[in-house]
Amino acid sequence: GAVVSQHPSWVICKSGTSVKIECRSLDFQATTMFWYRQFPKQSLMLMATSNEGSKATYEQGVEKDKFLINHASLTLSTLTVTSAHPEDSSFYICSAQGAGTFGSGTRLTVV
Amino acid sequence: GENVEQHPSTLSVQEGDSAVIKCTYSDSASNYFPWYKQELGKGPQLIIDIRSNVGEKKDQRIAVTLNKTAKHFSLHITETQPEDSAVYFCAASKGGGGTSYGKLTFGQGTILTVHP
Repeated sequence: GAVVSQHPSWVICKSGTSVKIECRSLDFQATTMFWYRQFPKQSLMLMATSNEGSKATYEQGVEKDKFLINHASLTLSTLTVTSAHPEDSSFYICSAQGAGTFGSGTRLTVV
Repeated sequence: GENVEQHPSTLSVQEGDSAVIKCTYSDSASNYFPWYKQELGKGPQLIIDIRSNVGEKKDQRIAVTLNKTAKHFSLHITETQPEDSAVYFCAASKGGGGTSYGKLTFGQGTILTVHP
């Protein structure tokens, strides 16, 4: 079946730095990928829809200049958290190819 | 936009019992309803889904029912096992097909604990 690989699985960074998270579709091409954020003991919230070759579509309340999304190929989407702050600490999860295929998630801790 | 409510927030059962988790949605245009199991520190895993043209779907010990009129759907797990313990999420989407189903609105989640 379809496999989505997400890296890194966890990352700790200093406040003010940027962090890049990768989401790869391993055995299929994904024109659309989705990025979700999950705070501890909470549900998943859609952040943005990543479209290959065009700009991402952000959900209301998500800062596009802070959460940069690049989907330059049919197998790779990246989410860059810029100028990270402790409140950005969360679990970030990508999905691709419909609703059935999620990455394993990235635990971001900003100190 | 869509709003999905999920109950209960926690559910504790004995091994072998059945577990039922219920969700309601607000947008009558939603037409796809997946259920996910999420283990600690991992991404959600699709366990079963149902589309609006179907009222019930079953896969071994897991079944999902959908009532479009009432806008609610439920997950039923029979003969529960300790390895069923996890957080379960329902979700709704009004995608037109294919990758559109990935834009999901999730319920709040249910922590299921199955005691041996």
